[in-house]
Amino acid sequence: DTGVSQNPRHKITKRGQNVTFRCDPISEHNRLYWYRQTLGQGPEFLTYFQNEAQLEKSRLLSDRFSAERPKGSFSTLEIQRTEQGDSAMYLCASSSITEQGLSGYTFGSGTRLTVV
Amino acid sequence: LAKTTQPISMDSYEGQEVNITCSHNNIATNDYITWYQQFPSQGPRFIIQGYKTKVTNEVASLFIPADRKSSTLSLPRVSLSDTAVYYCLVYSGNTGKLIFGQGTTLQVKP
Repeated sequence: DTGVSQNPRHKITKRGQNVTFRCDPISEHNRLYWYRQTLGQGPEFLTYFQNEAQLEKSRLLSDRFSAERPKGSFSTLEIQRTEQGDSAMYLCASSSITEQGLSGYTFGSGTRLTVV
Repeated sequence: LAKTTQPISMDSYEGQEVNITCSHNNIATNDYITWYQQFPSQGPRFIIQGYKTKVTNEVASLFIPADRKSSTLSLPRVSLSDTAVYYCLVYSGNTGKLIFGQGTTLQVKP
């Protein structure tokens, strides 16, 4: 396993277009998280899944954002009608939750979105 | 979730030991303390995690006093490649939601 994989690494899109990012977590991890990071700031939590269930969504996640994790494996994050303010690095992370708690919290390299 | 406070930036020289202290006055009983490192254009990378006392791994040590209201990340003999942003986080072992601050930008000079 090569860790958490995110595609594409970079995406440039015109304002108003829709974009979709993909995250492939570490295979044995049942938790998957999405974060957004703008320049000079720490990552901000967006949402997370346990298996295929989306358990929490941040208020940062407007109606234009939707995330899915079909079959509890990979996840997609879609942004509809992109705005310039959506320009950021979108990070995915995965971990395991067991009776002993959380373990192996690993981030991917992110998808850099630029809206022009 | 407990808010953390850490210095915005620090400078050091190659070969020195670097200690970054983080305060988390409102840490809850079930919260863990974890530190991440981030290089430009990369995702954060796990460094070390602890609940109390001292934890050591191959890259760092983490010191947590008995009241757990602060923690100190210790990096022995830093090199230029340790120049990065270091984040101190407190999180619940149940949800796993990490709340990042601005982190500490460490600049290692030759």
